[in-house]
Amino acid sequence: QSVLTQPPSVSGAPGQRVTISCTGSSSNIAAGYDVHWYQQLPGAAPKLLIYENSKRPSGVPDRFSGFKSGSSASLAITGLQADDEADYYCQSYDNSLGGWGVFGTGTKVTVL
Amino acid sequence: QLQLQESGPGQVTPSETLTLTCTVSGDSIRGSSVYWGWLRQSPGKGLEWIGTIHYSGRTYYSPSLKSRLTMSVDTSNNQFSLRLGSVTAADTAVYYCAGHLPQLPPYFDLWGQGILVTVSS
Repeated sequence: QSVLTQPPSVSGAPGQRVTISCTGSSSNIAAGYDVHWYQQLPGAAPKLLIYENSKRPSGVPDRFSGFKSGSSASLAITGLQADDEADYYCQSYDNSLGGWGVFGTGTKVTVL
Repeated sequence: QLQLQESGPGQVTPSETLTLTCTVSGDSIRGSSVYWGWLRQSPGKGLEWIGTIHYSGRTYYSPSLKSRLTMSVDTSNNQFSLRLGSVTAADTAVYYCAGHLPQLPPYFDLWGQGILVTVSS
């Protein structure tokens, strides 16, 4: 069981805005560690979507944005498109677990 | 352009050792300050970081897998490898190799396509 909790699923119609939350605690997000986000299309490897809370790698549309506050972070997708249908994972670090990072439970985005 | 490709057996017998190799192409594995990691994803489950290695040989392992895990690097062949011992059905997963910079937490911006490993007799 992950220390970063995401809603199992979110959905929206094309063109709408959806947000995915990533809830942590005092040993991870609230401790000030950065949050990264990944998109995983069906049958594919994860792809870095947002790094260091709100930065977009080259090539990622500005429809995707990240935000962090307190013990949680969120990913927003605006102008939802059919090919945004995928699993999304947040990632951070937890100082009570060690290692180099923990992933969230994952959220399936469905485009209605 | 840097690319990663996993290779290894698709099936491993319980209690045996799983060995996977990741081949780096497009640049030297010694390049800049990149660190090389392994992650896995069990069927229908989320992502799990397994471990990371630097070309110098320095390793960082997941605490939960540390007792069964060995990672190594072969700079002459631009490869790095994972060995996971005493495997069980719980180790069945898609295994990914990935590249990242040495920050905490690292973000994995370079991924292999993944390889499915099934632990079964």
